[in-house]
Amino acid sequence: KNEVEQSPQNLTAQEGEFITINCSYSVGISALHWLQQHPGGGIVSLFMLSSGKKKHGRLIATINIQEKHSSLHITASHPRDSAVYICAVRWGGSGGGADGLTFGKGTHLIIQP
Amino acid sequence: DTGVSQNPRHKITKRGQNVTFRCDPISEHNRLYWYRQTLGQGPEFLTYFQNEAQLEKSRLLSDRFSAERPKGSFSTLEIQRTEQGDSAMYLCASSPTGHGYTFGSGTRLTVV
Repeated sequence: KNEVEQSPQNLTAQEGEFITINCSYSVGISALHWLQQHPGGGIVSLFMLSSGKKKHGRLIATINIQEKHSSLHITASHPRDSAVYICAVRWGGSGGGADGLTFGKGTHLIIQP
Repeated sequence: DTGVSQNPRHKITKRGQNVTFRCDPISEHNRLYWYRQTLGQGPEFLTYFQNEAQLEKSRLLSDRFSAERPKGSFSTLEIQRTEQGDSAMYLCASSPTGHGYTFGSGTRLTVV
């Protein structure tokens, strides 16, 4: 079964800390997404990656295709960053919902003032 | 265009009743996806449309579930004879190419 694993499941940090969330997947992908979900359910797409690194403001996403691993980093974290961060992949073959995404369980991040 | 719109935002229903949710995608997006998310879990793929054609259905989509996208624009997801296990957030997403996705805010279903 094609799987997406995230770690940690829960993370509490102090304002200003550097945050890293990890995502590993089992087989080849065509794209990896990092998503943010706030209480109430709405999902916002942060990044879509197929290689290398992307940066947007205080958020950085990296992917290592050979190691089947991606990380999401938050610099100078702030309480408004508190949310669930979800990694999702679109498989390279026909696994999972072939044209849809397979999601990790999410990392629940709390940034305390 | 204001993004992907889902209605209603919340639905409470009694077990055994039928419910229908609606998703209005971004107008130029030809692909539309339904996902289900239970508490503490990531979303799970339910079904996918390209224009009006339903191209894939997950095994999660039992016979009580049906989805339509009659004119290739909005989509509806109907659950018949709801069960308590159907309680979840139902998320819709649309995409122009299958790579960049825009998600709706979801419909939270509670079956009592």
